[in-house]
Amino acid sequence: EDKVVQSPLSLVVHEGDTVTLNCSYEVTNFRSLLWYKQEKKAPTFLFMLTSSGIEKKSGRLSSILDKKELFSILNITATQTGDSAIYLCAVEAGNTGKLIFGQGTTLQVKP
Amino acid sequence: NAGVTQTPKFRVLKTGQSMTLLCAQDMNHEYMYWYRQDPGMGLRLIHYSVGEGTTAKGEVPDGYNVSRLKKQNFLLGLESAAPSQTSVYFCASSQPTLRGTYQPQHFGDGTRLSIL
Repeated sequence: EDKVVQSPLSLVVHEGDTVTLNCSYEVTNFRSLLWYKQEKKAPTFLFMLTSSGIEKKSGRLSSILDKKELFSILNITATQTGDSAIYLCAVEAGNTGKLIFGQGTTLQVKP
Repeated sequence: NAGVTQTPKFRVLKTGQSMTLLCAQDMNHEYMYWYRQDPGMGLRLIHYSVGEGTTAKGEVPDGYNVSRLKKQNFLLGLESAAPSQTSVYFCASSQPTLRGTYQPQHFGDGTRLSIL
């Protein structure tokens, strides 16, 4: 059975801290791994990773995929209170674009 | 530039009632998806569609039906609502690329459904 597991499930840090969120997966016919940020409503897209070892970066956020060890990490440096959200990892498997989501990591950044 | 629009945003039902959730997208996307989100469980796929007139089951399809009569609309129906279907429902859409990959899914703002 395909599965995606995120850790930790929740995290509380202070502004300025650096955090690392983890995502491991076991799926057949892997196509890509995606990270989303969910605040109050719709998940919003952060990164799509398809190749091992290539870091994707956007401002203070970065992510990398290891297809041999079947995991990805999402790093956030110099955290701000606006980074407080649920971070969702999802894996696209098969040829219909379906996503398998992890449980999500709830990040709270305190001032 | 609406993207993906879901209606209604909130609804309270009694056990046994039926209802339909509407999802509309204006991006001309081929693929559409319905998910439910429960605390501590991430998003789980209910049904999806790879084109107008087609539907397929996802991970948790029982108790739900869907229809895709028009490309831009994807309807999710609850035949006889049960308390276990209390959840937040998200619709998403995406488009396959010429390289055989998919654009990231775009999500609507969700429908919060409570069944008493």
